[in-house]
Amino acid sequence: EVHLVESGGGLVQPGGSLRLSCAASGFTFGAYSMNWVRQAPGKGPEWVSFISSGFTIYYADSVKGRFTISRDNARTSLYLQMDSLRADDTAVYYCARGGPEPPFDYWGQGTLVTVSS
Amino acid sequence: SYVLTQPPSVSVAPGKTATITCGGNNIGRKSVHWYQQKPGQAPAVVIYYNNDRPSGIPERFSGSNSGNTATLTISRVEAGDEADYYCQVWDNSSDHVIFGGGTKLTVL
Repeated sequence: EVHLVESGGGLVQPGGSLRLSCAASGFTFGAYSMNWVRQAPGKGPEWVSFISSGFTIYYADSVKGRFTISRDNARTSLYLQMDSLRADDTAVYYCARGGPEPPFDYWGQGTLVTVSS
Repeated sequence: SYVLTQPPSVSVAPGKTATITCGGNNIGRKSVHWYQQKPGQAPAVVIYYNNDRPSGIPERFSGSNSGNTATLTISRVEAGDEADYYCQVWDNSSDHVIFGGGTKLTVL
């Protein structure tokens, strides 16, 4: 069974940094593309970043230059390094398998990031 | 950038048919996926590649895509279908994944 478990969320001050992790199990992690998707309170999902099995990377305009996606296939883990955080980065961050054209077929439970002073 | 437009809300009586639209410029040329999200849960795909259903999704859920509008149709609506629904595409001109703003389905 596929499992995606995010961690690393929390409260951070504006301008600060945070690193999210997503531990994957139940499938051949290295063979799949992965994504980070966030959802601000009361809003719809917003795609953040994509990394393919071949390490092709895409970012949403809102995070480009501030966030860095990476993966460690040996550790079956996905990461999101978030720098220069702003209040509007406050959201639940999900890791999701799939994309960019195929659907996001599995999602984690999400980790909450709150940017506030 | 590419924009997907959904009606904020749709209401339907139990047993009737709900239709949720997703508008986008020439969206018929793209592959559309639909997600259902219930409170406190992550989104889950209910229709992918315009009209395919994942295993476990009832046949009551169907999709279509043509011209400037994609449509999610839920037949014989049940109380358990009450949720937020989002359409999603891949815009290869910008290398961005795009979500629609979402439609709240209310079962009367």
